[in-house]
Amino acid sequence: GQQVMQIPQYQHVQEGEDFTTYCNSSTTLSNIQWYKQRPGGHPVFLIQLVKSGEVKKQKRLTFQFGEAKKNSSLHITATQTTDVGTYFCAGPGSGGSYIPTFGRGTSLIVHP
Amino acid sequence: SQTIHQWPATLVQPVGSPLSLECTVEGTSNPNLYWYRQAAGRGLQLLFYSVGIGQISSEVPQNLSASRPQDRQFILSSKKLLLSDSGFYLCAWSVLGNPYNEQFFGPGTRLTVL
Repeated sequence: GQQVMQIPQYQHVQEGEDFTTYCNSSTTLSNIQWYKQRPGGHPVFLIQLVKSGEVKKQKRLTFQFGEAKKNSSLHITATQTTDVGTYFCAGPGSGGSYIPTFGRGTSLIVHP
Repeated sequence: SQTIHQWPATLVQPVGSPLSLECTVEGTSNPNLYWYRQAAGRGLQLLFYSVGIGQISSEVPQNLSASRPQDRQFILSSKKLLLSDSGFYLCAWSVLGNPYNEQFFGPGTRLTVL
């Protein structure tokens, strides 16, 4: 089935440093979604990318969708302790399934 | 606005006991409904999804079952819990017919099987 691979699994940063997580697929994706899960909380939808080469920003967060629509990234500038959590990407399911397939997530730990 | 409720928030159950987790959605009609399980420090495993009342699709064979007795109610059940059933159970909904299908998650139930 269609899978999205996410790296790294964990990332420790000092507050103020930048952070990037990557999501890769072996097949072309019609769209990619990003979610954030705070420790002890539930995943919350952040954004969706649909167009090739698309770039969207939410304050310090920058989301990119690759030109070939096979990869995506989430970049956080100048991390803050409020950025702590696990970031998941999700691509469409296999065989045209509308159910998103989630990556394993990247856990961001920000040290003050 | 739409809201999704799950209960209980936490649950400790002995091995072999039954389970019933409930999820309800407010403020929308005909939602797609999902049950996910998240083991500690792990990703999201889709267990069941439903596109309508009485319509359940299972993604992973296990000792769990799901039912959708009403349009906005989704129930996860087990007759006999195993230790491996411990985890964080998340219910989610999405808009029926939305091709991109962003998921909206409930607060979750943290289940510990002893």
